[in-house]
Amino acid sequence: AQSVTQPDIHITVSEGASLELRCNYSYGATPYLFWYVQSPGQGLQLLLKYFSGDTLVQGIKGFEAEFKRSQSSFNLRKPSVHWSDAAEYFCAGSGGGADGLTFGKGTHLIIQP
Amino acid sequence: GAGVSQSPSNKVTEKGKDVELRCDPISGHTALYWYRQSLGQGLEFLIYFQGNSAPDKSGLPSDRFSAERTGGSVSTLTIQRTQQEDSAVYLCASSQLNQPQHFGDGTRLSIL
Repeated sequence: AQSVTQPDIHITVSEGASLELRCNYSYGATPYLFWYVQSPGQGLQLLLKYFSGDTLVQGIKGFEAEFKRSQSSFNLRKPSVHWSDAAEYFCAGSGGGADGLTFGKGTHLIIQP
Repeated sequence: GAGVSQSPSNKVTEKGKDVELRCDPISGHTALYWYRQSLGQGLEFLIYFQGNSAPDKSGLPSDRFSAERTGGSVSTLTIQRTQQEDSAVYLCASSQLNQPQHFGDGTRLSIL
């Protein structure tokens, strides 16, 4: 069965520090992979996507993610976080086409001043 | 409208009542999806519509849940005989084929 796993429920980082949020996937073939961010009371905003090609993808708000087939991972990174980055982050996968997304449980990011 | 629009934003109803949730997708998007977000289960796929094809209902949790998409645009998710475990945020998303999904702000459903 397809699955996406985010091992960290909560992550706390200091403002200005670097960030890495982990995501692992289990699919029969290479899935389409996404990172979304959700602020309280809001819907999901797409940060970046991986379909194929270059394994390092750039997204909005200074985020990037790297697809590593050997580790079945798609970790999200940011070199320097801002207080406004505090939110819930979801990794998601899809088999392609118009398939529904399979989401991880989310990682709650807390920014310390 | 630039984004996916959902209404109502909040809905409170009594157990046993029927509810209808509406989604207005981004113009030109052929695919439309419904998801449910709850504390215990996280984000779950419910159903999707692609063009004029039969919908993929594989994620619907019970036969009390149904959805329609009229004219390839607006969609309605209906929950009959609501139960307390139906309390959740219901999210709608739309996309073009093989493109990322864009989400609305959701409908927060509370069953008393």
